[in-house]
Amino acid sequence: DTGVSQNPRHKITKRGQNVTFRCDPISEHNRLYWYRQTLGQGPEFLTYFQNEAQLEKSRLLSDRFSAERPKGSFSTLEIQRTEQGDSAMYLCASSLEPGQTQYFGPGTRLLVL
Amino acid sequence: AQSVTQLGSHVSVSEGALVLLRCNYSSSVPPYLFWYVQYPNQGLQLLLKYTSVATLVKGINGFEAEFKKSETSFHLTKPSAHMSDAAEYFCAVSKAGGGADGLTFGKGTHLIIQP
Repeated sequence: DTGVSQNPRHKITKRGQNVTFRCDPISEHNRLYWYRQTLGQGPEFLTYFQNEAQLEKSRLLSDRFSAERPKGSFSTLEIQRTEQGDSAMYLCASSLEPGQTQYFGPGTRLLVL
Repeated sequence: AQSVTQLGSHVSVSEGALVLLRCNYSSSVPPYLFWYVQYPNQGLQLLLKYTSVATLVKGINGFEAEFKKSETSFHLTKPSAHMSDAAEYFCAVSKAGGGADGLTFGKGTHLIIQP
């Protein structure tokens, strides 16, 4: 069990560019979650997957955001046409089954200039 | 809808003193409740969780929390603070029993330990 990993750990981009983050959950964890954390705030739920199916999306997830989990393993979160307001820490978590403990990765810190 | 309120964005205690971090929740369905800790530049680590089994929950590093339905509270305590406890603490709520179980977090409490 190597824990949840996220890449890259840091990303600096210019406004209007597209960025993609990757999350590798703990092996055999069926659930995968994405959260966003801005400075001085708690994490905010964005979306989650049960295996490869995306089951819920927060209203925070605008149409510039898209997440995938092909084959029910790793997941990607893409932000198109980034805005300065997208600057945040993007956290990924996974759990073995619904209702069980969510284990968090170290996060990807995004800075949009 | 669910929400969490953490009273006090910063709490300062002396080393060896009691730690009390307050959390109140609002939920229209039976909740699961969690406390996570976040050290600088690290991800969130689960301290403890309430999942409808026992109202007094013991976690790691000597922390415990008590679920009080009548007060809609889930306060975190530790009898004796240690310097290593200095971190950001988040209370979170989710729907009980799985299903759509994305966590709703409070804004966090920064715990400062005075030597």
